[in-house]
Amino acid sequence: GQNIDQPTEMTATEGAIVQINCTYQTSGFNGLFWYQQHAGEAPTFLSYNVLDGLEEKGRFSSFLSRSKGYSYLLLKELQMKDSASYLCAVRLTGANNLFFGTGTRLTVIP
Amino acid sequence: GAGVSQSPSNKVTEKGKDVELRCDPISGHTALYWYRQRLGQGLEFLIYFQGNSAPDKSGLPSDRFSAERTGESVSTLTIQRTQQEDSAVYLCASSLGRLSNYGYTFGSGTRLTVV
Repeated sequence: GQNIDQPTEMTATEGAIVQINCTYQTSGFNGLFWYQQHAGEAPTFLSYNVLDGLEEKGRFSSFLSRSKGYSYLLLKELQMKDSASYLCAVRLTGANNLFFGTGTRLTVIP
Repeated sequence: GAGVSQSPSNKVTEKGKDVELRCDPISGHTALYWYRQRLGQGLEFLIYFQGNSAPDKSGLPSDRFSAERTGESVSTLTIQRTQQEDSAVYLCASSLGRLSNYGYTFGSGTRLTVV
């Protein structure tokens, strides 16, 4: 089977930096995705990592270490609109679907 | 269309009734997925369609659940004899293929409440 763990909730201050971690225990790893989901809305794609290292996209960056089964999403210069759930999802070799963690609900406070 | 469209957006039904949920994927997206999101839980895979291939039904929780898709167009998810534990948001997603590096594009979901 597969196990994907994320913190349930986090709080951070506007303008600050926050790191949301995701750890996974899977067989046949073939990529990791991060999605953002605002309350009552559809998840939207943020990033994809399949090789070790950091992928930067504006204020958002995602890091992967395959040997440690670990990823993080880094959000810089936090804005109030970044308050949302952040979902980590893993793709396995040969599987048709992505496997999602339960998500981390981030609250940005003034 | 420009995005994945789902209908209805909300559905309240009585326990024991059948419901049908609809998904209209992005034109040209050959892969289509149904997921379920219960309150406070992660997305749960239900079924996957790829073109005209046989669907992957491995995530369907019981034989009360079924889904159809004609070619690369609209899909319907049917839940028969609904139970209260079926209450959830049902999300449809489409992608260029299961190995797309751009992930899925999700619809806004159908919030199903069984009373």
